[in-house]
Amino acid sequence: NAGVTQTPKFQVLKTGQSMTLQCAQDMNHNSMYWYRQDPGMGLRLIYYSASEGTTDKGEVPNGYNVSRLNKREFSLRLESAAPSQTSVYFCASSEWGEWETQYFGPGTRLLVL
Amino acid sequence: QKEVEQNSGPLSVPEGAIASLNCTYSDRVSQSFFWYRQYSGKSPELIMSIYSNGDKEDGRFTAQLNKASQYVSLLIRDSQPSDSATYLCAVNNGNGNQFYFGTGTSLTVIP
Repeated sequence: NAGVTQTPKFQVLKTGQSMTLQCAQDMNHNSMYWYRQDPGMGLRLIYYSASEGTTDKGEVPNGYNVSRLNKREFSLRLESAAPSQTSVYFCASSEWGEWETQYFGPGTRLLVL
Repeated sequence: QKEVEQNSGPLSVPEGAIASLNCTYSDRVSQSFFWYRQYSGKSPELIMSIYSNGDKEDGRFTAQLNKASQYVSLLIRDSQPSDSATYLCAVNNGNGNQFYFGTGTSLTVIP
């Protein structure tokens, strides 16, 4: 079991460029999440998908779009990158039930110049 | 007011001592509570979850929950240098998929 995988591990973009961060999980989890982590701000939820075919905004969705491609994959797209989007991005997944716990991927470090 | 608050630290304890990490949350309907450990440059790793008032023990870790005081804590007994990390408190408000994380407390265990 690979758990939650993310690609790429590291990316440098110029302002205005676009890119897609990929996430996949092999635990057959229903729910998937995208977070960003910034110094002093903690983890903040960008978008989540409770199940295949559904997505919802989290705390900081502006400037991002997501696609739940299938049960395994959940991608995050930056259409026009801005320096404020420089961050570490984590994907996570969890099993839907009464008590949920999340499992995180290794993260993508994004630098926008 | 932030949903989840933690002292950022840094907290330093000698090896073998008890480390005490604290977290408060603002939403009274919160139902489930988690402690994650995050080593520098790595992803968060779940170490404890707690859902009911009282204590829950797992090895050297004990989570304590007091819903009336909206307070959750993590005790690490016999602290080891390998416990040096940032500890994140997370809360789920019972409304499905909304998790709120604190900013984390940095712990250093001094050999």
